[in-house]
Amino acid sequence: DTEVTQTPKHLVMGMTNKKSLKCEQHMGHRAMYWYKQKAKKPPELMFVYSYEKLSINESVPSRFSPECPNSSLLNLHLHALQPEDSALYLCASSQLDLISFNSPLHFGNGTRLTVT
Amino acid sequence: GESVGLHLPTLSVQEGDNSIINCAYSNSASDYFIWYKQESGKGPQFIIDIRSNMDKRQGQRVTVLLNKTVKHLSLQIAATQPGDSAVYFCAERGYQKVTFGTGTKLQVIP
Repeated sequence: DTEVTQTPKHLVMGMTNKKSLKCEQHMGHRAMYWYKQKAKKPPELMFVYSYEKLSINESVPSRFSPECPNSSLLNLHLHALQPEDSALYLCASSQLDLISFNSPLHFGNGTRLTVT
Repeated sequence: GESVGLHLPTLSVQEGDNSIINCAYSNSASDYFIWYKQESGKGPQFIIDIRSNMDKRQGQRVTVLLNKTVKHLSLQIAATQPGDSAVYFCAERGYQKVTFGTGTKLQVIP
């Protein structure tokens, strides 16, 4: 088991649906991340939150909308997705070392999303 | 631009032998590197990290070596076990970002 919990584990949605992915951590980490991983590819960064504020958006389409309600929770709201958005969506968290940034990310096990 | 890549996509190793997984990086300003293990159906799991002011760091059965001259990173796994079968990623950490290399699949032959 990981210390980063993601729900649901699996999600199938149509292109007109609205759904949300949820992520929770209780390690006191103040940085949280969304990554997207396609089959047999490395994870690709989507968003970074630092102290509950969005600090990095890697030019992600607006059909993906992140939200950080508090320091332990991270959501990813999905709307009008395309079949090519099918992937494993990974949440991660890390300490926020403002001096050296030498802090590994801790990942959840992801949500396997299928868009039909 | 920055890139972190691996030399071999698949590595097959006999159980009990040592494994060496290699990684090249291109950004000479990179100062922190991480190795992750990803098993099927799971998220990446932190294995070991190393800062650029170090050449070597050891953990339990794993060693990471960093050669800044040739911008090369390696992960050594001693006495490889079936449970080590997974995809291994090297990653570079910059400001708030972790960028992953392409990954090496390690297959352990019983």
